Amino acid sequence: QAVVTQEPSLTVSPGETVTLTCGSSTGAVTSGHYPYWFQQKPGQVPRTLIYETIVKHSWTPARFSGSLLGGKAALTLSGAQPEDEAEYYCLLSYSGVPVFGPGTKVTVL
Amino acid sequence: EVQLLESGGGLVQPGGSLRLSCEASGFIFSTYAMSWVRQAPGKGLEWVSSISGSGGTTKSYADSVKGRFTISRDDSKNTFYLQMNSLRAEDTAVYYCGLRTVDYWGQGTLVTVSA
Repeated sequence: QAVVTQEPSLTVSPGETVTLTCGSSTGAVTSGHYPYWFQQKPGQVPRTLIYETIVKHSWTPARFSGSLLGGKAALTLSGAQPEDEAEYYCLLSYSGVPVFGPGTKVTVL
Repeated sequence: EVQLLESGGGLVQPGGSLRLSCEASGFIFSTYAMSWVRQAPGKGLEWVSSISGSGGTTKSYADSVKGRFTISRDDSKNTFYLQMNSLRAEDTAVYYCGLRTVDYWGQGTLVTVSA
């Protein structure tokens, strides 16, 4: 089974930009993996930010954007806010079988 | 407004069974694939199972639950299910139902497998 990789943790200063990545053990991530990005704060239900690489939901703050970068899926947070401190999970689909990444803990400090 | 409401969680002994339900509203349920995702205490998210829309002819399962869990749906009731048999301690988790994989999330229901 494929393994999805993410940075364990990242720290960003308020107002700065940070990019989270999502890699695949099988090779380059493409749009065919239909990358998703989720945000989860402690004690809360996950919230879907991005689907199909770049598509935002109506509730996704404009400062979040998705892309493909260097063979990985990427989530860029431009102008981090204190409320963005959370765990971020990506998900890739492999022939219809979804696999979550282990999550990236983002600290805004 | 999309709403997903899980039910059926609880405490069960190892080897026991539970059936989770997820009642959906706010969208044309029959046309969408639906999924179950779980999260063990203090751990990350794990996809469990998905079922296709329009009759649910395609079902898929994580290796960790294959042969023990069964997903199904009743489009007349806007509800889908996860039948969990031969439960193990490692199945202890909050189980979330989701629209597709996953655009909308339910609030989750806790399943605890313990003697």
